[in-house]
Amino acid sequence: SAVISQKPSRDICQRGTSLTIQCQVDSQVTMMFWYRQQPGQSLTLIATANQGSEATYESGFVIDKFPISRPNLTFSTLTVSNMSPEDSSIYLCSVAGGLNYGYTFGSGTRLTVV
Amino acid sequence: GIQVEQSPPDLILQEGANSTLRCNFSDSVNNLQWFHQNPWGQLINLFYIPSGTKQNGRLSATTVATERYSLLYISSSQTTDSGVYFCAAHREETSGSRLTFGEGTQLTVNP
Repeated sequence: SAVISQKPSRDICQRGTSLTIQCQVDSQVTMMFWYRQQPGQSLTLIATANQGSEATYESGFVIDKFPISRPNLTFSTLTVSNMSPEDSSIYLCSVAGGLNYGYTFGSGTRLTVV
Repeated sequence: GIQVEQSPPDLILQEGANSTLRCNFSDSVNNLQWFHQNPWGQLINLFYIPSGTKQNGRLSATTVATERYSLLYISSSQTTDSGVYFCAAHREETSGSRLTFGEGTQLTVNP
């Protein structure tokens, strides 16, 4: 299955600023997925990122707040813009690992906004 | 969209005990996965099990797709088993590939 390197692993940010999270995959993948996990809750899909096209956002998430880049088949970034304390969450990227492996997740970015 | 429900929401065990976690899903799925989230937030893939039974050491999982449920068995639990266990249902939809998570089971194993 694919191996994903995600960084930063954690950050503490001031409100009103932006943070860009990076995910690097060790193999080429068509789709990459970005999730948010608010404290004590389950994972919620933010958007699906395909190489060469705009990301597809889930209901409740907008491009201005969570811009995504997908410059090639092994890399993607998620930016959390104009942050507020409500954005404090774990953000995870994911790829589909193929027929017998399911989905693989990066190690997550624990974001705290103060 | 599909609904994924997990039970129990919380479970406290003494080390050495056995347990069963359940995952119900509201519609047919392409695949079902079980994850363990450790205290650092990392999601560890335990099983990829669209149907049938798989075993990995002290853990095993069974999915009965026709009845829309999956079970995760933990035997001889250890303190390192503590954390949150999630099941997630994968469906290929016209809008794209989607993995829907349950709310998780918080497991605490006491020494």
